[in-house]
Amino acid sequence: DGGITQSPKYLFRKEGQNVTLSCEQNLNHDAMYWYRQDPGQGLRLIYYSQIVNDFQKGDIAEGYSVSREKKESFPLTVTSAQKNPTAFYLCASSPSGSSYEQYFGPGTRLTVT
Amino acid sequence: GESVGLHLPTLSVQEGDNSIINCAYSNSASDYFIWYKQESGKGPQFIIDIRSNMDKRQGQRVTVLLNKTVKHLSLQIAATQPGDSAVYFCAENHRPERGTSYGKLTFGQGTILTVHP
Repeated sequence: DGGITQSPKYLFRKEGQNVTLSCEQNLNHDAMYWYRQDPGQGLRLIYYSQIVNDFQKGDIAEGYSVSREKKESFPLTVTSAQKNPTAFYLCASSPSGSSYEQYFGPGTRLTVT
Repeated sequence: GESVGLHLPTLSVQEGDNSIINCAYSNSASDYFIWYKQESGKGPQFIIDIRSNMDKRQGQRVTVLLNKTVKHLSLQIAATQPGDSAVYFCAENHRPERGTSYGKLTFGQGTILTVHP
């Protein structure tokens, strides 16, 4: 099956710890994205990558870091510098130049206590 | 339509009725508008999109209308079913800035649709 996978579905961490969320796609898409969703709100862009070994900050990048070493993978690290890390994190991918054609993964719900 | 804050707009309908979900967008330069459906605990699922040079587009049981004069987008669902219950988001795609090939999606806050059997 082609698609986007995110793991784990639920993640719990103590405050002050870094945590890495996984995102893998086998759609052969060049572009990948990370969004954050808070209760009752829409999606906000954290980071995006148009091509391997390149990525740019989105609207709320502070406290997050990413890497894009492989086309299929775009892991997101939530660092201890992120003040309110508890949220639902969504990964998406799209063909190059078609940001309007994004396909989303199932999401990871991160809870930091 | 969309609203600011934590209280999402809600729409309750009876099974079999038609549903209309509205969205106001902000950027007159957006070139695509997309509707997503999100069920609880899942990622958004693409429903339908419309290019900015169109006024109407139809899919299976869904129709999207675009009014650029008032920057308004609507999603019509015919013969609404209980399985249509979800949060519906509109998104606008901003054209790439000069020197980049990257467009950007901006999402609305969503509307909760509840379909009663």
